[in-house]
Amino acid sequence: AQKVTQAQTEISVVEKEDVTLDCVYETRDTTYYLFWYKQPPSGELVFLIRRNSFDEQNEISGRYSWNFQKSTSSFNFTITASQVVDSAVYFCALRGRGPSNSGGSNYKLTFGKGTLLTVNP
Amino acid sequence: GAGVSQSPRYKVAKRGQDVALRCDPISGHVSLFWYQQALGQGPEFLTYFQNEAQLDKSGLPSDRFFAERPEGSVSTLKIQRTQQEDSAVYLCASSLAYIPTGGNTGELFFGEGSRLTVL
Repeated sequence: AQKVTQAQTEISVVEKEDVTLDCVYETRDTTYYLFWYKQPPSGELVFLIRRNSFDEQNEISGRYSWNFQKSTSSFNFTITASQVVDSAVYFCALRGRGPSNSGGSNYKLTFGKGTLLTVNP
Repeated sequence: GAGVSQSPRYKVAKRGQDVALRCDPISGHVSLFWYQQALGQGPEFLTYFQNEAQLDKSGLPSDRFFAERPEGSVSTLKIQRTQQEDSAVYLCASSLAYIPTGGNTGELFFGEGSRLTVL
């Protein structure tokens, strides 16, 4: 079975602080995809990044960066110099590439419970 | 519209009522998903359509839940005889890609959801 754990339920920071959101995953698939989504108060899930399991290069996009470590099954997300507009719930998600009998599927997303980030001015 | 549109945005139902939630995916999107998001939780998979074919309904919680996409575009999620535990946000997502054929990791575009409250 697939599982995504986001141990941090809520994080509160002051604007301009750096913040890291943790994500740990479990899967029996040898090939899989990891995602981060942002859910602002309006409710829609906004795609932030997809990472393939065979590509362990870290990625930076503006103030956002992602640290993928296969050895520890973690895919952490860092926001540098946080801003009030970053306040939202952030979800880490996993999608496998294996056949359905591996416990996953190549179209279902398995989400963590989310981390509520509040950035205070 | 440019994005996935869901209606109604908010629905209050009395226990035992039937409800229907509508999803208008992005035009031309082949794959359509329904997810259920309980308060304080992450979304959980309900069902998946490829065009008009419902390929996976393993996530539907009970036989009171029914989804259809008869013409391969608009989809409706119907919940019969609603119960309090059905209270949640129901998210629809669509993708251009035939995800299960492999080689294509087409991304999902989510709607804003329909928040159902069952009293």
